[in-house]
Amino acid sequence: AQSVTQPDIHITVSEGASLELRCNYSYGATPYLFWYVQSPGQGLQLLLKYFSGDTLVQGIKGFEAEFKRSQSSFNLRKPSVHWSDAAEYFCAVAMYNNNDMRFGAGTRLTVKP
Amino acid sequence: NAGVTQTPKFRVLKTGQSMTLLCAQDMNHEYMYWYRQDPGMGLRLIHYSVGEGTTAKGEVPDGYNVSRLKKQNFLLGLESAAPSQTSVYFCASSYSMRALGAGELFFGEGSRLTVL
Repeated sequence: AQSVTQPDIHITVSEGASLELRCNYSYGATPYLFWYVQSPGQGLQLLLKYFSGDTLVQGIKGFEAEFKRSQSSFNLRKPSVHWSDAAEYFCAVAMYNNNDMRFGAGTRLTVKP
Repeated sequence: NAGVTQTPKFRVLKTGQSMTLLCAQDMNHEYMYWYRQDPGMGLRLIHYSVGEGTTAKGEVPDGYNVSRLKKQNFLLGLESAAPSQTSVYFCASSYSMRALGAGELFFGEGSRLTVL
């Protein structure tokens, strides 16, 4: 069955520390991959996406993600976290000819001063 | 430019009551979606529409109906609300299917529904 897994429900990091949020998928073929961020009380905003080509993709707000086919992973990273990065982060996947974008359960990020 | 607007933002219903959530987008998007968000489960697709006059079932369609009479509007109806439908509902829109492959869903701010 197709699935998206975010193993970490909640992560706490100190401001200025590096961050990595994990995402694994299970699909028959390599899907399109996305990371969205949701601030409290808001809708989701696209951070970055991967379709093909360079496996390291850059996004907004200083985030990047690396696609690793062998691990079926698409982990999100940021070298230095800011207090404003506290939010919930969702990994999502979609197939090209499929209207159904599937989301992981989300990882809530807390940033300590 | 308002983007995607959902009304109402909050609603409390009693079991068995009916209601409609309205989603309006001003970006001339072809595709529109209704998701529900529940703790620990991420977003799950309820129904979607690929154009005016069309609708299709998503992952969790039971207990919901939708209509897309106008391109800019996508309505989500609950005919007989149940406590299991307590959730936060998000509407989203996107360009054509090829652009969905481009991945940008534009989300509303959500509608929090409580069914007692």
